[in-house]
Amino acid sequence: AAGVIQSPRHLIKEKRETATLKCYPIPRHDTVYWYQQGPGQDPQFLISFYEKMQSDKGSIPDRFSAQQFSDYHSELNMSSLELGDSALYFCASSLGPGSSGNTIYFGEGSWLTVV
Amino acid sequence: SQQGEEDPQALSIQEGENATMNCSYKTSINNLQWYRQNSGRGLVHLILIRSNEREKHSGRLRVTLDTSKKSSSLLITASRAADTASYFCATDKYGNKLVFGAGTILRVKS
Repeated sequence: AAGVIQSPRHLIKEKRETATLKCYPIPRHDTVYWYQQGPGQDPQFLISFYEKMQSDKGSIPDRFSAQQFSDYHSELNMSSLELGDSALYFCASSLGPGSSGNTIYFGEGSWLTVV
Repeated sequence: SQQGEEDPQALSIQEGENATMNCSYKTSINNLQWYRQNSGRGLVHLILIRSNEREKHSGRLRVTLDTSKKSSSLLITASRAADTASYFCATDKYGNKLVFGAGTILRVKS
């Protein structure tokens, strides 16, 4: 079965640079979520979209922005990168909001290393 | 952790034994989900239990939910070396976000 696809899988950037992560949800899924997981940490919610509109916002820095496009894929843009942004970034998707009891499926994640 | 604690933080057992992990949360919830994560890999969904359910089974997995105590447990029976991973519980109350617990690192020795 098709899963959530994230690209790139690995990314190395220098401080103050910009990075863009892409997420392709499971076909027909209309809700996308972004999470950040630091080393040895639990995943922290960043932001979510439902039907291309932002539906919830978590601990996403102002330097980060995201959007969901007409084909439901999503991109997370990170600017003025800091060393502390080094983490595993997950995208997840669901058919309808997760709070309605719909299973949320995660991608394999994108490793971002800021040097 | 944003949500609460998972207990134990780490668990080491022999293959064939049962593993029990506990999760506590702070707010009332709609659903609770358990995920598995192999080192540096994605989160694999294991099971979802709704707030009006008390127990759910899926293969070798058994999940219980006690909303009065704001806690859940995940039991893996007849563990295998391939079960070695981190296990997270995640809850949602309202909105679309899952809030994760700190996770339990399970090691199954063969």
